[in-house]
Amino acid sequence: EAGVAQSPRYKIIEKRQSVAFWCNPISGHATLYWYQQILGQGPKLLIQFQNNGVVDDSQLPKDRFSAERLKGVDSTLKIQPAKLEDSAVYLCASSLRAGGQDTQYFGPGTRLTVL
Amino acid sequence: AQKITQTQPGMFVQEKEAVTLDCTYDTSDPSYGLFWYKQPSSGEMIFLIYQGSYDQQNATEGRYSLNFQKARKSANLVISASQLGDSAMYFCAMANTGFQKLVFGTGTRLLVSP
Repeated sequence: EAGVAQSPRYKIIEKRQSVAFWCNPISGHATLYWYQQILGQGPKLLIQFQNNGVVDDSQLPKDRFSAERLKGVDSTLKIQPAKLEDSAVYLCASSLRAGGQDTQYFGPGTRLTVL
Repeated sequence: AQKITQTQPGMFVQEKEAVTLDCTYDTSDPSYGLFWYKQPSSGEMIFLIYQGSYDQQNATEGRYSLNFQKARKSANLVISASQLGDSAMYFCAMANTGFQKLVFGTGTRLLVSP
């Protein structure tokens, strides 16, 4: 079974530019998550989708970050415009169901550097 | 609010020895799950083991076991017979039932030497 796919793996941009990350979850997984992991910290949830609806985006900086999950499968996370403090690894995860204690499986992440 | 505390920034162990990575948590919800993930230098978070708050027995998965002490709110990871490939960051995380948002600790870097 294929795991969670993410692209690109690395991205370097200058501040005020825009960037987009793509995620393809494990086949059949209803729930998709985007996490931000700043160097030296644990991941922090940005947004959670259940199929193509948003369950939790309370920690998403909505003035510059946006995400969508069309057709309940792939997802895209966008930053526009980027700031220096957005330098981090962006991890996508998916899980089979919505409720209960369902294990989240992570992709390899996208390492973003904002100069 | 949920909180995970990992007090060991780094741990050092020799190959074939056992090591315990500490994790304490705080939540007011009676139903929750505790998870451990491994993050090698490649960056991917690898799921290791899960413990539910109502589970009577400690979880085990191969060389990994979770020492769950509910009254003390601790969920320590025990790795038996350490291998060189175990060198990585280890994160403890929790989620309250029904929400699934994982809250992570700051991690422990484990270094296994020959």
